[in-house]
Amino acid sequence: KNQVEQSPQSLIILEGKNCTLQCNYTVSPFSNLRWYKQDTGRGPVSLTIMTFSENTKSNGRYTATLDADTKQSSLHITASQLSDSASYICVVSAWDNYGQNFVFGPGTRLSVLP
Amino acid sequence: GAGVSQSPRYKVTKRGQDVTLRCDPISSHATLYWYQQALGQGPEFLTYFNYEAQPDKSGLPSDRFSAERPEGSISTLTIQRTEQRDSAMYRCASSGLVQETQYFGPGTRLLVL
Repeated sequence: KNQVEQSPQSLIILEGKNCTLQCNYTVSPFSNLRWYKQDTGRGPVSLTIMTFSENTKSNGRYTATLDADTKQSSLHITASQLSDSASYICVVSAWDNYGQNFVFGPGTRLSVLP
Repeated sequence: GAGVSQSPRYKVTKRGQDVTLRCDPISSHATLYWYQQALGQGPEFLTYFNYEAQPDKSGLPSDRFSAERPEGSISTLTIQRTEQRDSAMYRCASSGLVQETQYFGPGTRLLVL
């Protein structure tokens, strides 16, 4: 069964600190992995996308890593800001009979405090 | 229902015509999302509903795109005066609450000639 798990479920850090969010998946056949940021009351916005051959991708203070062998990904946030408070969702895509399908993880709720 | 359903599965239309796509979410789900997925790309957010309210429609690419969910269940996405660049897969997803796991429908593949 295709599944995406994320940890921790929620995280509280102080402004300026770094943090790392984890994503484990059992999606097959793997196509790509995305990290989304979803602010409260807003829709999810894509941060990074990585294919099988990529093991790291950066977008400003966000750096995503992918280990396709262990089926793990992480999202590292550097020098956190108050505006980083949001849910971070790991999404893994696979191919099924309809084409590309997307399996969403449950998300990690990050709160950055001043 | 058992899962998210969408109709039609495929739609071919001529440029300038209006099209309406339908999404039937999981019956207990309050939140409904619409995404646009270009060929080979991941889903890009268009808009979402929390019951019948539409808190965020910032992803709609132009005023030709609109969505409704008048009774908080079934939703429609309407594209007026379609253009060739509107050709894409349109995916609907639902979740129990905002920021819970989303469950996707099979999508509607739209081709504008």
